[in-house]
Amino acid sequence: QSALTQPASVSGSPGQSITISCTGTSSDVGSYNLVSWYQQHPGKAPKFMIYEGSKRPSGVSNRFSGSKSGNTASLTISGLQAEDEADYYCCSYVGSSTSLYVFGTGTKVTVL
Amino acid sequence: QVHLVESGGGVVQPGRSLRLSCAASGFTFNSYAMHWVRQAPGKGLEWVTIISYDGGDKYYADSVTGRFTISRDGSKNTLYLQMNSLRPEDTAVYYCTRGDGVTSAFDIWGQGTMVTVSP
Repeated sequence: QSALTQPASVSGSPGQSITISCTGTSSDVGSYNLVSWYQQHPGKAPKFMIYEGSKRPSGVSNRFSGSKSGNTASLTISGLQAEDEADYYCCSYVGSSTSLYVFGTGTKVTVL
Repeated sequence: QVHLVESGGGVVQPGRSLRLSCAASGFTFNSYAMHWVRQAPGKGLEWVTIISYDGGDKYYADSVTGRFTISRDGSKNTLYLQMNSLRPEDTAVYYCTRGDGVTSAFDIWGQGTMVTVSP
C-alpha cells in the first residue's frame, strides 16, 4: 500500500487561505469517506483536526475545513495564522491485507 | 483529562527485542480500539497495528507482521507492543493512539517513545 501523495510544502501570508491536497486511489481515498487530517508541530505528537473528510472534532478552529472529490481529499486553512505553521498529514482507512490505514507523505506549511 | 503515556523505548541492537507500554487514563479504556503509529526520524507517519476494544481482533502492517505483537490489559488500562527481531528500519518514535470505531480516526495521541535500533 503506497502512501497518499501530498505536496511537500505549502506557504502563505498571515490572513490568507491555503489548501493542501491528498491524492490517493480508488482503493483508498476514493473508496471510503474515512479521511482524517493531523497537525504536527516540531517535536510534538500529531493533533487530530478533521475526520470523515470534512468534520471537525470539538475544539478545532473553524478556520480548518476539509473536502473530498474522487480520489483526492483536501484541507483548507483560512485566515492563516503563525501558529498554523506545522506539518500536516492526511490518512485514509484502506482495509487492505497489507495495511488497514495509509498516511499521506506530509506537507510542511510555512507562514510567511 | 484524557491521557496516553508511552514508555519502554530505548536503544537496542538489531535482532533483539523491546516491549513498549502505553498507560491510558481519563476514558473507558475497554471501550476503544487502540493503535500504534510510528514516525522514523525526519519522516512521515506510518500506521503499525490495531487491537480491538476487547483484544479479540488484531491487524498489522506488512512491515511488522510476524515480528510485532500488540496486546492490552484492561485491568491495568495499558496497551503493549512487543517488538521482536528488531531491524534498523524500525528506528522511530512510536505513538500510542486511541481509535474511533465509527470515524476510523486517531483522536487521542500519546507523546511518543523513541526506539533506536543500532549495533
